[in-house]
Amino acid sequence: SAVISQKPSRDICQRGTSLTIQCQVDSQVTMMFWYRQQPGQSLTLIATANQGSEATYESGFVIDKFPISRPNLTFSTLTVSNMSPEDSSIYLCSISGQGDYEQYFGPGTRLTVT
Amino acid sequence: GQNIDQPTEMTATEGAIVQINCTYQTSGFNGLFWYQQHAGEAPTFLSYNVLDGLEEKGRFSSFLSRSKGYSYLLLKELQMKDSASYLCAVRSLGGGFKTIFGAGTRLFVKA
Repeated sequence: SAVISQKPSRDICQRGTSLTIQCQVDSQVTMMFWYRQQPGQSLTLIATANQGSEATYESGFVIDKFPISRPNLTFSTLTVSNMSPEDSSIYLCSISGQGDYEQYFGPGTRLTVT
Repeated sequence: GQNIDQPTEMTATEGAIVQINCTYQTSGFNGLFWYQQHAGEAPTFLSYNVLDGLEEKGRFSSFLSRSKGYSYLLLKELQMKDSASYLCAVRSLGGGFKTIFGAGTRLFVKA
């Protein structure tokens, strides 16, 4: 399976600032996804990021708040803009692998907004 | 839209068998996943079903009935380390190729 890394692993940020999270994969993948997992809850899909096209956002998530880049087949970024304490969460990058069914997750970025 | 239901919590005894159920409603069904997630860690892929029937992988088995919108994860010979959250997730083609997660079932294994 592919190796997925995320930076930073954790951060504490002030209200009103922005944070960009990086996701790096050691092989080329077509589909990358960004999820959020708030404390004690399951995963919520933010958006799907495919190389060469605009990200597709899920209901409740907008590009102005969560801009995403996907410059190539191994890398993506998610920015959490104008943060508030409600954005405190774990943000996870996920990829769809070589097989039809494989979907794997990065280690996550734990964000705390004060 | 999509809807995925699974029990919030379950408790079982070490060495026993436990079955975690999941029911779902979706359009454009393209597979069902089970993931294990320990506290503070990322989800780990356990199984994938796209056709009806049982898939067995060691101590873990997963079953799917597409006509009933139903799946279960069966864990045998439970070990203490199996205490974790188990997430049922459904992939669909409707509105794009994406996987949506249920709320998860927290499993407590006691001695």
